[in-house]
Amino acid sequence: GQNIDQPTEMTATEGAIVQINCTYQTSGFNGLFWYQQHAGEAPTFLSYNVLDGLEEKGRFSSFLSRSKGYSYLLLKELQMKDSASYLCAVHDSNYQLIWGAGTKLIIKP
Amino acid sequence: IAGITQAPTSQILAAGRRMTLRCTQDMRHNAMYWYRQDLGLGLRLIHYSNTAGTTGKGEVPDGYSVSRANTDDFPLTLASAVPSQTSVYFCASSDPDRTTGELFFGEGSRLTVL
Repeated sequence: GQNIDQPTEMTATEGAIVQINCTYQTSGFNGLFWYQQHAGEAPTFLSYNVLDGLEEKGRFSSFLSRSKGYSYLLLKELQMKDSASYLCAVHDSNYQLIWGAGTKLIIKP
Repeated sequence: IAGITQAPTSQILAAGRRMTLRCTQDMRHNAMYWYRQDLGLGLRLIHYSNTAGTTGKGEVPDGYSVSRANTDDFPLTLASAVPSQTSVYFCASSDPDRTTGELFFGEGSRLTVL
């Protein structure tokens, strides 16, 4: 079966750096997405990786290793507004999106 | 409006009743989707439509139906609601011509079936 694993919950301190990991086992691979979802709101797109390496976008970076079936989302200079769930999703060989259950990130002052 | 609009935002429904969740987008995206989100589970695809006039079944289609009469509208119907359909429902769209093909989501419809 197809599966995406990410930690259920993480806690970090305001101003610090946090890395949220995602591992996947899918039938084929056509790209990996990270979405942010604040409580009670819709998911919003953060990043997309299709080739190995690091994609940087402001305080957020996303890394992909296709050979390891692994990605991480790195958040720097954490702010209280970064408290949210972070969803990892993979396009399989048929471009069907497979979703992880999400990582709830709690930021403490 | 800009983006995707869902209605209603919240609804309490008696089991056995019929319910339609509405979804409208103004981005002229060809592809549209309905997901449900339950605590501890990832988003699960109910139905999708790659273009107006076509629909397909997702991961959890049973008890749901959709139609796509035009590009903008993609309603989701529960023919006879059951308590297990209590969930938050998200409509989404994407533009397959974009490099990333990311999804744009509506604000969600919280449905409670008693």
